[in-house]
Amino acid sequence: GAVVSQHPSRVICKSGTSVKIECRSLDFQATTMFWYRQFPKQSLMLMATSNEGSKATYEQGVEKDKFLINHASLTLSTLTVTSAHPEDSSFYICSARGQDRGVGDAEAFFGQGTRLTVV
Amino acid sequence: TQLLEQSPQFLSIQEGENLTVYCNSSSVFSSLQWYRQEPGEGPVLLVTVVTGGEVKKLKRLTFQFGDARKDSSLHITAAQPGDTGLYLCAGRIQGAQKLVFGQGTRLTINP
Repeated sequence: GAVVSQHPSRVICKSGTSVKIECRSLDFQATTMFWYRQFPKQSLMLMATSNEGSKATYEQGVEKDKFLINHASLTLSTLTVTSAHPEDSSFYICSARGQDRGVGDAEAFFGQGTRLTVV
Repeated sequence: TQLLEQSPQFLSIQEGENLTVYCNSSSVFSSLQWYRQEPGEGPVLLVTVVTGGEVKKLKRLTFQFGDARKDSSLHITAAQPGDTGLYLCAGRIQGAQKLVFGQGTRLTINP
């Protein structure tokens, strides 16, 4: 499968600071990237969908001013958690999807995830 | 309401036993993926099914897509401790970009 690299894998930050998480598609062009949040022992919760060069589409209940998403190139998307608080501590995962090639659906591949701890 | 119902959510069985995980929906999916996730890591794609009635095998794992493309199952034969993990089904509705995830099945295989 295709490779999606997410960095950092773990980050600890102080309350009130901002944290940036990067998601890169290493061997394909990701026309669409997705950002998820996962709580312990639960499934993935979609936060937002971003298409290269356009504004992200946020899911209901996700604060767009708090979770800034940038998808400036076909291989890189970033999620910035602004003014982080302890309740933002979670496992954040990105996924990337290439362009549909007309045969079924383009598959989505996931990054390794980022464990964010806000103290 | 959950668009994709996955069951069971927890399963603990002995090594060597067989098991089946189900994902059901009232919606039609253009494709459905199964992922496995280890603690602290991102989900890893196991298989994608796109055709109604499709069956795919991956060693001891058998994946089936329902004829109407509304449901799918994952069957594991002779489970091994290495199969332990969180299994997630995810479907894409025709024309939509995002994946809809099931609740996940946390599988534990005891030696």
